[in-house]
Amino acid sequence: NAGVTQTPKFQVLKTGQSMTLQCAQDMNHEYMSWYRQDPGMGLRLIHYSVGAGITDQGEVPNGYNVSRSTTEDFPLRLLSAAPSQTSVYFCASSSRSVWGNQPQHFGDGTRLSIL
Amino acid sequence: SQQGEEDPQALSIQEGENATMNCSYKTSINNLQWYRQNSGRGLVHLILIRSNEREKHSGRLRVTLDTSKKSSSLLITASRAADTASYFCATAATSGSRLTFGEGTQLTVNP
Repeated sequence: NAGVTQTPKFQVLKTGQSMTLQCAQDMNHEYMSWYRQDPGMGLRLIHYSVGAGITDQGEVPNGYNVSRSTTEDFPLRLLSAAPSQTSVYFCASSSRSVWGNQPQHFGDGTRLSIL
Repeated sequence: SQQGEEDPQALSIQEGENATMNCSYKTSINNLQWYRQNSGRGLVHLILIRSNEREKHSGRLRVTLDTSKKSSSLLITASRAADTASYFCATAATSGSRLTFGEGTQLTVNP
């Protein structure tokens, strides 16, 4: 099993451009999440999904969109990139449970720079 | 605001020594988890301790939880250079809300 796979690993964008960060998991996990990691800020939740067709906002959702058409995939879209979105983005998944009661499996991240 | 706060922010020790990291949190929790992050990689789950547990072991790891003080500690015994990483605590509130991560402790184990 590959676990959680994120692509691309690195990306540089210009302000105003849009792009999609891809996330796929092969563990049949119901829960999937997107976090951003910034120095001194820990991980902050952007959006999450508790199953196909169901998404909700996290702590810092502005400027990002998500959709969950399949159990396996959970892409994150930046609508109009801004320098404040320069960060490392992590996708995570976990099995069905009361939220937070199961370990989360993380991808290796996408390092995104907005110029 | 972050639920969990790790202490210290950075810790440097020699190989073979024990490393202790602490996590404090603000509200009642359902469980607390510890994760490790190697440089340039994603977080890896280490251990989960539930609110009704006081201590848990996994190999060289020992986690304690004191719900009265709203704090947890992670002890790594007989540390190795390969233990060099950032360590994060994450809490899940009793309401079933999402995991909230602290800012992490950067551990450096010198050979």
